[in-house]
Amino acid sequence: DGGITQSPKYLFRKEGQNVTLSCEQNLNHDAMYWYRQDPGQGLRLIYYSQIVNDFQKGDIAEGYSVSREKKESFPLTVTSAQKNPTAFYLCASSILTGSSYNEQFFGPGTRLTVL
Amino acid sequence: GEDVEQSLFLSVREGDSSVINCTYTDSSSTYLYWYKQEPGAGLQLLTYIFSNMDMKQDQRLTVLLNKKDKHLSLRIADTQTGDSAIYFCAPADRGSTLGRLYFGRGTQLTVWP
Repeated sequence: DGGITQSPKYLFRKEGQNVTLSCEQNLNHDAMYWYRQDPGQGLRLIYYSQIVNDFQKGDIAEGYSVSREKKESFPLTVTSAQKNPTAFYLCASSILTGSSYNEQFFGPGTRLTVL
Repeated sequence: GEDVEQSLFLSVREGDSSVINCTYTDSSSTYLYWYKQEPGAGLQLLTYIFSNMDMKQDQRLTVLLNKKDKHLSLRIADTQTGDSAIYFCAPADRGSTLGRLYFGRGTQLTVWP
């Protein structure tokens, strides 16, 4: 079955620690995205990548870092510089069609709680 | 960026129709999407409409687009308890080949039996 996997589903960390969230897709999609979701808020874009070894900041990149060493993988690191890291993190991917059509497929999400 | 506004809550009785509304600011958006999120899960695409259309019907779902007023709506006919979820409106940014999406805050639909 093709899809996007995120692990773990729940993650707990102490304040001041860096933590890496995993995102893997086997859909052969070009683009991958990371979003943050807070209660009552929409999805806010953290980082996105259109191609291996290249990525761009979204609207709320401060305190986060990413890498794209393989087409199928786009891990997100939440650093200690992120002031309010507790949130639900969603990874998505899409095919680049050359038009603005952009159906994004989402993973199940990781809920990060910083204690 | 684009601002997308949705009402936060909607409650309906099972069997009734639900209408979820969305307004957006970028009139050049070419594709406008509706996503559904069940509790604790990721988002799944429900439907979308291209900007040269006024209406799109897909089984129980009807999408209406008023480009002049920058207003999008999603109507769910014969709403079922399984439709209870958060619904997100997401216009695409025409300005890039990435077609970046901008999400509203989502409308929590509660269906009462």
